[in-house]
Amino acid sequence: DAGITQSPRHKVTETGTPVTLRCHQTENHRYMYWYRQDPGHGLRLIHYSYGVKDTDKGEVSDGYSVSRSKTEDFLLTLESATSSQTSVYFCAISLDGGEQYFGPGTRLTVT
Amino acid sequence: QKEVEQNSGPLSVPEGAIASLNCTYSDRGSQSFFWYRQYSGKSPELIMSIYSNGDKEDGRFTAQLNKASQYVSLLIRDSQPSDSATYLCAVMQFYFGTGTSLTVIP
Repeated sequence: DAGITQSPRHKVTETGTPVTLRCHQTENHRYMYWYRQDPGHGLRLIHYSYGVKDTDKGEVSDGYSVSRSKTEDFLLTLESATSSQTSVYFCAISLDGGEQYFGPGTRLTVT
Repeated sequence: QKEVEQNSGPLSVPEGAIASLNCTYSDRGSQSFFWYRQYSGKSPELIMSIYSNGDKEDGRFTAQLNKASQYVSLLIRDSQPSDSATYLCAVMQFYFGTGTSLTVIP
């Protein structure tokens, strides 16, 4: 497996609270991505990064922000969690913006 | 909006048969295509990528790309029960289909 870890792996939180998910890589890949996966929707891109401090929005970015201050870390923040953000979140990395390698996922439940 | 369509299945094939998975896409300018496998409760794993028209083979897997018809397919030869999973098609790096569920029957 590519050296990608996600933390936490499981989280239950209440509506309105802020939540931060962390993705950490040891591969020195330039690109990092955050996706959410929901039944019937497949994988949808939230945000991605193409370098330190360089990020861009994906298809479903509303309610989410990201930061990348180091090559190895990409943080996803839900400013004020809502029940619609209950999902499985995957981080992925890519050396050149092509093939991607996924982390183990974080299951987030917002009650 | 870039659309990527896959038949959700489930697709069932007997062990040893060829499984054929298909994907169509809407953006005619797409240049890169990827197949991922996802076991239930696990993260997607890259199977292969394809960028040029024609076939690309990797072991029991063959990806086929036809840009004129805007489809990409994945053939799995000599299907094994361990191939039972959901197969995700991705176009232009991060536009994913909803996946096709494959079951290989022993």
